[in-house]
Amino acid sequence: GENVEQHPSTLSVQEGDSAVIKCTYSDSASNYFPWYKQELGKRPQLIIDIRSNVGEKKDQRIAVTLNKTAKHFSLHITETQPEDSAVYFCAASMGHRYNFNKFYFGSGTKLNVKP
Amino acid sequence: GAGVSQSPRYKVAKRGQDVALRCDPISGHVSLFWYQQALGQGPEFLTYFQNEAQLDKSGLPSDRFFAERPEGSVSTLKIQRTQQEDSAVYLCASSLGGQEVSYEQYFGPGTRLTVT
Repeated sequence: GENVEQHPSTLSVQEGDSAVIKCTYSDSASNYFPWYKQELGKRPQLIIDIRSNVGEKKDQRIAVTLNKTAKHFSLHITETQPEDSAVYFCAASMGHRYNFNKFYFGSGTKLNVKP
Repeated sequence: GAGVSQSPRYKVAKRGQDVALRCDPISGHVSLFWYQQALGQGPEFLTYFQNEAQLDKSGLPSDRFFAERPEGSVSTLKIQRTQQEDSAVYLCASSLGGQEVSYEQYFGPGTRLTVT
């Protein structure tokens, strides 16, 4: 099955700096890569996703890049704010139209943005 | 609109007891997933339903775990003879599925199960 590795496990940045979280996956059949933000005691919330036919996607301060050849994808957060502090999870999936497949999650990155 | 809801939010069970965890997906969502999240870890897949059909149960850790979705909406995850290693947050997620190309899964708040 698919194996997703995520690093770093913890990341501490100063407010206003950028943060980068990296994930690798093992199965070349994976074609959908979401990123979830989970605050303490809350549900995971999708913040951005990318499909394998796209190399980069941006949404305001958040961007995701995908390198299919190397089987890795990264989350980039610019101009970090204290409210960005949370645990971030990457995931990989072989999702397709009629039989949506399970997500394989990384182990999470705890981001701490210091004011 | 209403998101995915789960109940109870917290459950304490004595070792050996049976528990039942409920998930109410977003109305109209065809796909429903259960995940198990141990403390400090990412969610791990347990099982998947498309409507009432359980199409993948490869992640269920033992035959003490059983899930159902009899009418294709509400789902129940049942754990028999709970063990301490079952302590975790159990997350439910739903996805539109069907003929819409939407891969996003919407998560519920989870049920935190503590086995003492």
